[in-house]
Amino acid sequence: KAGVTQTPRYLIKTRGQQVTLSCSPISGHRSVSWYQQTPGQGLQFLFEYFSETQRNKGNFPGRFSGRQFSNSRSEMNVSTLELGDSALYLCASSLQGYGYTFGSGTRLTVV
Amino acid sequence: GQQVMQIPQYQHVQEGEDFTTYCNSSTTLSNIQWYKQRPGGHPVFLIQLVKSGEVKKQKRLTFQFGEAKKNSSLHITATQTTDVGTYFCAGPGGSSNTGKLIFGQGTTLQVKP
Repeated sequence: KAGVTQTPRYLIKTRGQQVTLSCSPISGHRSVSWYQQTPGQGLQFLFEYFSETQRNKGNFPGRFSGRQFSNSRSEMNVSTLELGDSALYLCASSLQGYGYTFGSGTRLTVV
Repeated sequence: GQQVMQIPQYQHVQEGEDFTTYCNSSTTLSNIQWYKQRPGGHPVFLIQLVKSGEVKKQKRLTFQFGEAKKNSSLHITATQTTDVGTYFCAGPGGSSNTGKLIFGQGTTLQVKP
């Protein structure tokens, strides 16, 4: 079966711009979580969506938002980009909360 | 807030040597999960432990969940170059079946052939 698909793989944006990242979970997986990975902070939880509802939220500013569609695909948006938002953004999906399958990630560089 | 700590941060071993990484949580966990991330890759799920004192093996990898469900370890016997990567432990940050995982900082394993 197809894995978790994230697009785009790479992005370069300018400070102040906004960006939208996309994630298609494994078919049948209704839980989609987003993580930010940086060398300094490691893997940090952003938010989780389940059946189009945000079920959990991490400690990130309101510039970070997300949503999930009826087909379980999810998007995350970052507005007013800052240099510190440069990171690998990972999406993960799961069927019943047992083990999460991660996508290859979107590498965002803010210049 | 809830924290998950891992040691060591880095480990360099000669191929064939054993390797162990330790994970400690500031709170009791309903389960602990382990992931491996190869250089340039993404985390890949290895295993989930649920029961107190549970021990699970996957070929040369042995995973253990502490009796108090606050610590865990991953032991690799006779490392190979294919074991290179960063190993993360993660515990649920809320309900056991939600997607909020608190990750340790990871242990990066280098294996010299």
